[in-house]
Amino acid sequence: EADIYQTPRYLVIGTGKKITLECSQTMGHDKMYWYQQDPGMELHLIHYSYGVNSTEKGDLSSESTVSRIRTEHFPLTLESARPSHTSQYLCASCSGATSEAFFGQGTRLTVV
Amino acid sequence: RKEVEQDPGPFNVPEGATVAFNCTYSNSASQSFFWYRQDCRKEPKLLMSVYSSGNEDGRFTAQLNRASQYISLLIRDSKLSDSATYLCVVKRSGNTPLVFGKGTRLSVIA
Repeated sequence: EADIYQTPRYLVIGTGKKITLECSQTMGHDKMYWYQQDPGMELHLIHYSYGVNSTEKGDLSSESTVSRIRTEHFPLTLESARPSHTSQYLCASCSGATSEAFFGQGTRLTVV
Repeated sequence: RKEVEQDPGPFNVPEGATVAFNCTYSNSASQSFFWYRQDCRKEPKLLMSVYSSGNEDGRFTAQLNRASQYISLLIRDSKLSDSATYLCVVKRSGNTPLVFGKGTRLSVIA
C-alpha cells in the first residue's frame, strides 16, 4: 500500500472561507501533484512540484496555491472558496526512478 | 488534439470475455507508460507499467508500439470485479508531469 495521506476526506464549507487541503507522503518522493476531478470526469492537473521550493501550475486554471517547504508535505490552499470549487481533489506522489505515481484517497470538497 | 487519447467507452462485456483498450499519445518524447484503474468515487491505482517489450500480469497484457505511438491493454477472462475506468498515462523524461487520458469505462456483466 502506498503511504500517501490526504486530510480531510470530506469537507463542507461556506463561500468565501479559506481552506487548506493537506497531503503528506512518507515514501521520500520528490515529485508531487494535485489533480481535480468531478464525478465521472477526467483528471485535471492543477499544481505539481519536483522538490522542495519548486511548484508549477498545471493545465487547469486554478485559484488555488501550493507550497513545498518539506519533501513529504504538499498542501493546497484556496484563499476564498466558491461553489465552483466543489469537486474532488486528489494528491499524488511519484517515484523518480520508475515514474509510478501513487494517489491519496482524495478530499471531497463541497462549497455551499 | 489531446496529448493522450483513449477509446471512448463504455465497454459492456459479459463475464469471461476478452476486451482490449487502445490509447494513443501525440508526443514522441514520451518515455514512460502506464495503465491505471479507477473505481467509482475512488482514487486511481496503478494497474501496470508498460514496457517496450510488452508485459503480462495474470489476465492483463500491456503492449507498447512506439512507432505508431499507441499503447494497448488486453484483459482476458473478464471478471465482474474488473468493472472500472481504465486510465492511460504517459510521461516524458525529466521534470515533466504525468499526462492522463480521459479513461475508458468497462462494465463486466454477469
